[in-house]
Amino acid sequence: SSELTQDPAVSVALGQTVRITCQGDCLRSYSATWFQQKPGQAPILVLYGENNRPSGIPDRFSASSSGNTASLTITGAQAEDEADYYCYSRGSSGNRWVFGGGTKVTVL
Amino acid sequence: QVQLVQSGAEVRNPGASVTVSCKAFGYAFTGHYMHWVRQAPGQGLEWMGIIKPSGDWTSYAQKFQGRVTMTMDTSTNTHYMELTSLNFEDTAVYFCARDVSDSTSSWWLDPWGQGTLVTVSS
Repeated sequence: SSELTQDPAVSVALGQTVRITCQGDCLRSYSATWFQQKPGQAPILVLYGENNRPSGIPDRFSASSSGNTASLTITGAQAEDEADYYCYSRGSSGNRWVFGGGTKVTVL
Repeated sequence: QVQLVQSGAEVRNPGASVTVSCKAFGYAFTGHYMHWVRQAPGQGLEWMGIIKPSGDWTSYAQKFQGRVTMTMDTSTNTHYMELTSLNFEDTAVYFCARDVSDSTSSWWLDPWGQGTLVTVSS
């Protein structure tokens, strides 16, 4: 089992808001990073640090965290946001990093 | 433009070894650690390990200890990941990804290589 836990799948109506969560003890010490992956493509960075977006990522993507839980929110989901989303962080012990199991977002 | 370009797809027999390369463009090669990540068909991302830009330190996921070796060549700005004693469960897409951090509590990977499919088949 992964050190970071994500719900396997969520769905959202076009234009509505969806929140994806990631839980793990390591998140009490380290920030979560979020990646988006579409079929057949390499993952891309969408959110990092407290709530930072790389150039080119729409501002409908935002991050938050509390205790051992990090969240990615898509406000006004678009069809192109349909993808798998993975959280990522440094592990609780040693020099290792971990991914969550991923959440498949379906835009209806 | 920062870019990572990986070597092409490979097919190996069980028990063999494979080496995947990752050539870096557009940034100071020795200024960033590099991670390797793999993804089995239909599965999630799995962290394999990290190499320091000087090449004198690595850390591997326990699952791959003893089977994986990460190296680098500063003369060609290329990273390498060798995986030995391959079995069918090693069939996956292997990615390299550049480490970026704020040096305190946040690490991220950007960019990623395009991925290299390694197929283990008899």
